[in-house]
Amino acid sequence: DVKVTQSSRYLVKRTGEKVFLECVQDMDHENMFWYRQDPGLGLRLIYFSYDVKMKEKGDIPEGYSVSREKKERFSLILESASTNQTSMYLCASSGQGGNQPQHFGDGTRLSIL
Amino acid sequence: QKEVEQDPGPLSVPEGAIVSLNCTYSNSAFQYFMWYRQYSRKGPELLMYTYSSGNKEDGRFTAQVDKSSKYISLFIRDSQPSDSATYLCAMCHPGYNKLIFGAGTRLAVHP
Repeated sequence: DVKVTQSSRYLVKRTGEKVFLECVQDMDHENMFWYRQDPGLGLRLIYFSYDVKMKEKGDIPEGYSVSREKKERFSLILESASTNQTSMYLCASSGQGGNQPQHFGDGTRLSIL
Repeated sequence: QKEVEQDPGPLSVPEGAIVSLNCTYSNSAFQYFMWYRQYSRKGPELLMYTYSSGNKEDGRFTAQVDKSSKYISLFIRDSQPSDSATYLCAMCHPGYNKLIFGAGTRLAVHP
């Protein structure tokens, strides 16, 4: 079974802090994704990566950056956290090529105070 | 107009009922269709994965795709309280990595 592990289930940070969310997958997947999930808005893609050191913006990249130094690890960075970034953050991975289903971690519920 | 429309519910049914969950979409290029189940405070888990039109069955679950109507369905037979969750449809263009998700339908199965 594919295992996608997010480092924290719950995180509380203060406005203006730099926040790191970590994600690791154990299936040697090429593609990795970061989403946020908010009530009424569904899943929204922030960034994705199709290879080490490669990244592409998703639908809502503003205020976020990402890092992929190793194939199995994909980090989401909130450069200067704001209260409107309080959300559930979900990481996913998928195999090489298109049309592949994505496999999700259990999410990090981030609160910015 | 959103590319994928899904009624958010909530849908409440008695145990043992047949449940029908649906999504409509606007882009005829979509060829690959998925259903995910998401329990409260957990990530979505892949339930069904289908290509093009037709039916696919897995235990109590049946996924149906009607490309001519741009309509996909997930049927749950003999529903159980453990089926209570949010169900998300997702789809993608051939050769693309990105999935387009519906907003999710919240299902409650009561004993």
